[in-house]
Amino acid sequence: ETGVTQTPRHLVMGMTNKKSLKCEQHLGHNAMYWYKQSAKKPLELMFVYSLEERVENNSVPSRFSPECPNSSHLFLHLHTLQPEDSALYLCASSQDSQRGNQFFGPGTRLTVL
Amino acid sequence: SQQGEEDPQALSIQEGENATMNCSYKTSINNLQWYRQNSGRGLVHLILIRSNEREKHSGRLRVTLDTSKKSSSLLITASRAADTASYFCASYRGSTLGRLYFGRGTQLTVWP
Repeated sequence: ETGVTQTPRHLVMGMTNKKSLKCEQHLGHNAMYWYKQSAKKPLELMFVYSLEERVENNSVPSRFSPECPNSSHLFLHLHTLQPEDSALYLCASSQDSQRGNQFFGPGTRLTVL
Repeated sequence: SQQGEEDPQALSIQEGENATMNCSYKTSINNLQWYRQNSGRGLVHLILIRSNEREKHSGRLRVTLDTSKKSSSLLITASRAADTASYFCASYRGSTLGRLYFGRGTQLTVWP
């Protein structure tokens, strides 16, 4: 993989559960991103963090809560999700938020029952 | 929407043939990037072409960019079964947010 790791790789949860997705990058990058990938839809940018500060929240429902404790780690806390939230959640990083190319993790396949 | 569109949505070829995928975007850009994704995995950056460039090569990949038509193409020459994947273009406007605008992708299948 590319130096960006995500855990867990697969997650099945009920609508009343609380879970967290974790992303870690070993590339010394300063910007990190959460994307949602649903079938037959373009990648949807959810959140952008630059130097541990959230710089974009792309109208994401409050049941998704990001956390970036340092430049190497990014979390996505999940609670009271809906079945339509089932998707592949991808984390990415880049050298900084002004550099174009991003490095992606392998994703977490989330299924909400 | 500012997101791009790839064309075709699906492409099926034999090993050894060339594969051409096209991408259109809607706003002026700083650069355009192509990514590859194997089924259910993360995206891998393939190549970046800047707005002042018209063509770029990397191994068996050739990318062209026509900013007047807001379009790009990715050519994979002498394709292999291992090239089977989804290919996405992503436009980058160069804003401080570093936002990439992705299309829906082209699913390429290369038959041995």
